[in-house]
Formats: sequence, C-alpha cells, structure tokens
Amino acid sequence: GENVEQHPSTLSVQEGDSAVIKCTYSDSASNYFPWYKQELGKRPQLIIDIRSNVGEKKDQRIAVTLNKTAKHFSLHITETQPEDSAVYFCAAESSGGYQKVTFGTGTKLQVIP
Amino acid sequence: GAGVSQSPSNKVTEKGKDVELRCDPISGHTALYWYRQSLGQGLEFLIYFQGNSAPDKSGLPSDRFSAERTGGSVSTLTIQRTQQEDSAVYLCASSRAGTIYEQYFGPGTRLTVT
Repeated sequence: GENVEQHPSTLSVQEGDSAVIKCTYSDSASNYFPWYKQELGKRPQLIIDIRSNVGEKKDQRIAVTLNKTAKHFSLHITETQPEDSAVYFCAAESSGGYQKVTFGTGTKLQVIP
Repeated sequence: GAGVSQSPSNKVTEKGKDVELRCDPISGHTALYWYRQSLGQGLEFLIYFQGNSAPDKSGLPSDRFSAERTGGSVSTLTIQRTQQEDSAVYLCASSRAGTIYEQYFGPGTRLTVT
C-alpha cells in the first residue's frame, strides 16, 4: 500500500517569512495529492490539491510542487500570517483503484507575529 | 448546503462498554470515510464505503471495531468493549463519486474511555 512521509513535524517561522513542508510517497501509480489544513479544535479542510499531469499549482500565497520522478511533493506558503498557524497534512492517492488517500503524519506550523 | 454532521459531539464511556458513533454525509456523496485522530496525532484511516461496493475495512485496528452504512447514506461506527486506548477524536468524511475528489470532514466525535 501507499506510504506517505511528511517533514518537518513542527515548523516555526516569523510572520512574513515563507514556510515549506515536504512529503514523499511510495506508490508511483498515485496521481492525486491534496493538502489539508486543520486549525486547533477544528476539522481538516482542503486548501489545495494537485494531479500528476501538472508540476506546480498556485493559489494566492499557497503553492504546491510535484516531482513524480522523485516521488515527492511540497507545500509552499509565502508571506505567512498568524492565521496560517495550524497543522497541515499532505496526502497521496492510495493504490488499488479505490477513491482513497493516505495521509502524512502532519506538520504543526506556528507563525510568530 | 448542509455539511457532514456527526453525533454525538462528545462521548464519555466506561471501559468495557459499547459505543455507537453516527455520521451523516453530504447528500449525494457516495464515498464515506472514517478516521481516528489521537491527541496531537495524524489521521488514521479506519474504513471506507463507496456506493454499493464492499467496504474497505483494512484500517480497522481490531475486531472490536465495525461500521455499517445503511441505504448508502448514514453510517454508524461501533466500538465494542471499549478500551482506554480507544480514546480519540473520530472523524467522518464524505466525497462525491467518480475521480478522486476533495473529502469534506465532519466536526468529529470526541470519545473518552474512563
């Protein structure tokens, strides 16, 4: 089955700086890679996703890059703000033809004002 | 429109008792997932339902855990003979059919086993 590793587990940045979270996956057949944000005490919500037919996708201050050859993908947040503080989960489509993803272990991002 | 709902929001039970957790997915979503999230931890996959297909139970941690989905809509996760290590937040999510799509999560049920 799919195995997703995520680094770092915690990340502190100064407000206005950039933050980068990296994930690797094991199944070369995976074609869908979403990122979820979970604020403290709240439910996870999708913030951006990428499919394997593109190498990069951007939405305002958030961007995701995908390297299928190396089987890794990254989340980039620019001009961080205190409201970006949350736990971020990467995920990769699981093998087996099911509509399922495997989540990474999460990165706790703290943006220091 | 209405999102995914779960009930109860909190459940405290004594060790050894059975509990039932309920999930109401978004109307029309055929895929439904259950996850477990222990304090400060990641999202542990439990079980996945897709339409009328046999569920993917590969994530259930023991035979004390079971789930059903009636009429392709509401789902119930049952934990028998609860143990303290079952304490966690149980999250349900749903998504629409077809190519893999965004999962919409419910607010979760916080289970505490004393």
